Amino acid sequence: DQQVKQNSPSLSVQEGRISILNCDYTNSMFDYFLWYKKYPAEGPTFLISISSIKDKNEDGRFTVFLNKSAKHLSLHIVPSQPGDSAVYFCAAGEYNNNDMRFGAGTRLTVKP
Amino acid sequence: DVKVTQSSRYLVKRTGEKVFLECVQDMDHENMFWYRQDPGLGLRLIYFSYDVKMKEKGDIPEGYSVSREKKERFSLILESASTNQTSMYLCATMGLDSYEQYFGPGTRLTVT
Repeated sequence: DQQVKQNSPSLSVQEGRISILNCDYTNSMFDYFLWYKKYPAEGPTFLISISSIKDKNEDGRFTVFLNKSAKHLSLHIVPSQPGDSAVYFCAAGEYNNNDMRFGAGTRLTVKP
Repeated sequence: DVKVTQSSRYLVKRTGEKVFLECVQDMDHENMFWYRQDPGLGLRLIYFSYDVKMKEKGDIPEGYSVSREKKERFSLILESASTNQTSMYLCATMGLDSYEQYFGPGTRLTVT
């Protein structure tokens, strides 16, 4: 039973435009959410996170939005750059648990 | 910078062989994790450890065991490798002061 779902396996956008990656979850007990970026032949690297008490967190070109009532979060990348082309994983966890649940990932391609 | 290293980038083993995958971290993190990454399934947690000699099953522990004799080292063991264990294996660490996980580069294991 996947508690974290990324329903779009791939997304293609033009350089300079906005990329929006979506993630849905089923467990209302999740306290924090993270986005990871993964290049081929490398491990995932942390990108940005958000606590369940917030609805937005911004870091440069990256913004994560959280809608707890809809159990939905999204990652916005503005403006998108070719170097952003990677697989993006959404992850979620609970403060009293050490383990985290990951989505299946979305492959983003940013075309020059 | 956190450094998480994995013993091999690529590994080819035969069915029935015993396989050891080793992960070493240099940041004194208490928590260590083993995941496997498969297309369309994202990262699935096999086992994690929150302290030396302590271990907890993740979502898919069957066919695997782990060992954590020292804080910096977490080993994943495939007692008798099978073809359905062909996958990318990722090790990660996490400290007590953050929910961000740091990943190693991964081991691509092929079982023939």
